[in-house]
Amino acid sequence: DTTVKQNPRYKLARVGKPVNLICSQTMNHDTMYWYQKKPNQAPKLLLFYYDKILNREADTFEKFQSSRPNNSFCSLYIGSAGLEYSAMYLCASSPTGGNQDTQYFGPGTRLLVL
Amino acid sequence: QQKVQQSPESLSVPEGGMASLNCTSSDRNFQYFWWYRQHSGEGPKALMSIFSDGDKKEGRFTAHLNKASLHVSLHIRDSQPSDSALYFCAAREGGGRALIFGTGTTVSVSP
Repeated sequence: DTTVKQNPRYKLARVGKPVNLICSQTMNHDTMYWYQKKPNQAPKLLLFYYDKILNREADTFEKFQSSRPNNSFCSLYIGSAGLEYSAMYLCASSPTGGNQDTQYFGPGTRLLVL
Repeated sequence: QQKVQQSPESLSVPEGGMASLNCTSSDRNFQYFWWYRQHSGEGPKALMSIFSDGDKKEGRFTAHLNKASLHVSLHIRDSQPSDSALYFCAAREGGGRALIFGTGTTVSVSP
């Protein structure tokens, strides 16, 4: 089973309010990722956890936080949502994060900020 | 500049026909390539990976990689309506964890 689950599937948020998105996988994968996808754009990596170590991309470092309380769960946290955060957020996991590892994606959470 | 570029943006194919998708990278550090397929309402699903120059065939799908020209392609033989989806090319550097995606090719297969 290569299922990655995301909750909620749809999220409506107000400008300035926090947003917390949840991802889970039961494959015992070491690495979990969060990508942001906007219409007509490529999915863009925001951050990833390798085991308990968080790595955030330089250009989104201050915009997103994450936590991984155990191997199966990973959250994406936005402290104060802005209109520019409206997007699809995709969670993925891979066994080790190694060069040839395939990443398995969840169905995504569509976030709309008003 | 987009490091992974896909063409065409969209493609219409008759059922039973051949669909050909292209992907070119601008970074010679990319060593590993994937094709992902995303149906509406779902997340991207890995179709196949290719890491060595040449062809790799899995069922009706054939990927071709030429590292010298930084080009990877995907060919779908005997296209089916269920192949209608958004197809992404993704690349990774050796030692890197991030997948760098292209913007995708929308394939429509008409009965």
